[in-house]
Amino acid sequence: GAVVSQHPSRVICKSGTSVKIECRSLDFQATTMFWYRQFPKQSLMLMATSNEGSKATYEQGVEKDKFLINHASLTLSTLTVTSAHPEDSSFYICSASRQGAVRLGPSGGSTQYFGPGTRLTVL
Amino acid sequence: AQKITQTQPGMFVQEKEAVTLDCTYDTSDQSYGLFWYKQPSSGEMIFLIYQGSYDEQNATEGRYSLNFQKARKSANLVISASQLGDSAMYFCAMREGGRYNQGGKLIFGQGTELSVKP
Repeated sequence: GAVVSQHPSRVICKSGTSVKIECRSLDFQATTMFWYRQFPKQSLMLMATSNEGSKATYEQGVEKDKFLINHASLTLSTLTVTSAHPEDSSFYICSASRQGAVRLGPSGGSTQYFGPGTRLTVL
Repeated sequence: AQKITQTQPGMFVQEKEAVTLDCTYDTSDQSYGLFWYKQPSSGEMIFLIYQGSYDEQNATEGRYSLNFQKARKSANLVISASQLGDSAMYFCAMREGGRYNQGGKLIFGQGTELSVKP
């Protein structure tokens, strides 16, 4: 099956520093990647949609200058949390959509493949 | 605007019994997809099952089945023969557009925490 990796899996940083999280599709090309944020015991909240070679589309209420997204290639998208503060501490998950038609089984299938997530703690 | 609602914050089930996790949705689109994901404590999102809005039959994947009632806009997940390893958060999600709208974003419900008792 398709594999998406995230790096780092866990990061602890001081308030005011910037943190970069990488999302890679390892065995397929992803024209679209999504970034989600999840607080403990809560749902995944979509932050932005990232398309290769173009600017990301941010959801309402998400600060684009705070959360910089770059989709430089068909296999890599990065999320940079700039000037991080304790309230930015969260679990960040990316997902990637496979380019082109996906052969789906009788029950359909998930065409978004999720990374394992990155736990960010800002002190 | 599309919306997903899961009204059960937590559920308990005895091992080997079946359990139903509720999900209702709202959308103005005629074409959409419904998904269920499992999230164990490790945080990874595990795809379980998919139902397309035009699929005539309810989706099934092993011990998972989706009770799709289009008129009621509900897509409940049924887990048969619960196992201890089924203990996790379960999320219902919706994507507008047809089955090949791979670029469409997923909107998630609030989640249900399932605990399987031995």
